[in-house]
Amino acid sequence: SQQGEEDPQALSIQEGENATMNCSYKTSINNLQWYRQNSGRGLVHLILIRSNEREKHSGRLRVTLDTSKKSSSLLITASRAADTASYFCATEGTGFQKLVFGTGTRLLVSP
Amino acid sequence: EAGVVQSPRYKIIEKKQPVAFWCNPISGHNTLYWYLQNLGQGPELLIRYENEEAVDDSQLPKDRFSAERLKGVDSTLKIQPAELGDSAVYLCASSPGGFETDTQYFGPGTRLTVL
Repeated sequence: SQQGEEDPQALSIQEGENATMNCSYKTSINNLQWYRQNSGRGLVHLILIRSNEREKHSGRLRVTLDTSKKSSSLLITASRAADTASYFCATEGTGFQKLVFGTGTRLLVSP
Repeated sequence: EAGVVQSPRYKIIEKKQPVAFWCNPISGHNTLYWYLQNLGQGPELLIRYENEEAVDDSQLPKDRFSAERLKGVDSTLKIQPAELGDSAVYLCASSPGGFETDTQYFGPGTRLTVL
């Protein structure tokens, strides 16, 4: 079963623009992680934010977490064509190390 | 450092045939995961190993799926017999293990097509 729901399901932007993806989840979590999956390739871990954190940055990525609303957002600034991929949020529930993935946002960055 | 290795990358079989997937995790990683990913969906956990012990196999359809991780390193996932609905990408991931929250490192996956 999928825990997270990403919004939007698909996003198309031009290079240089910012891309924002949202993730909502249902149960209490230890942490929330974002992964990227290029077409035909495996998933790559991007960033992890713990339940006691509200914002985290990594390069052009900015993640926020609002545990009261059970939601997170991923912002990619100054997007590049190479950012074209599917982005998944994944939550690790309290008490165990199982990751539950959302349904993903498909991002297309056009040159 | 070599990443997670999976083979084969692609497999096409007829329904009712057996199939096996192999995974070699990153050296030193104690935790190994098998996921199933259907088209347009996120991965779903099938089984998780801590060393050679399967600690979470609640989502593994045990009537036709089996897995093993001999000596706590490589792992094999088997389907016998395969059904049309098993067509999907099977992903293997590994993490260092222990009590800290771990990043999972994924292999490229095996794309299975059942005809």
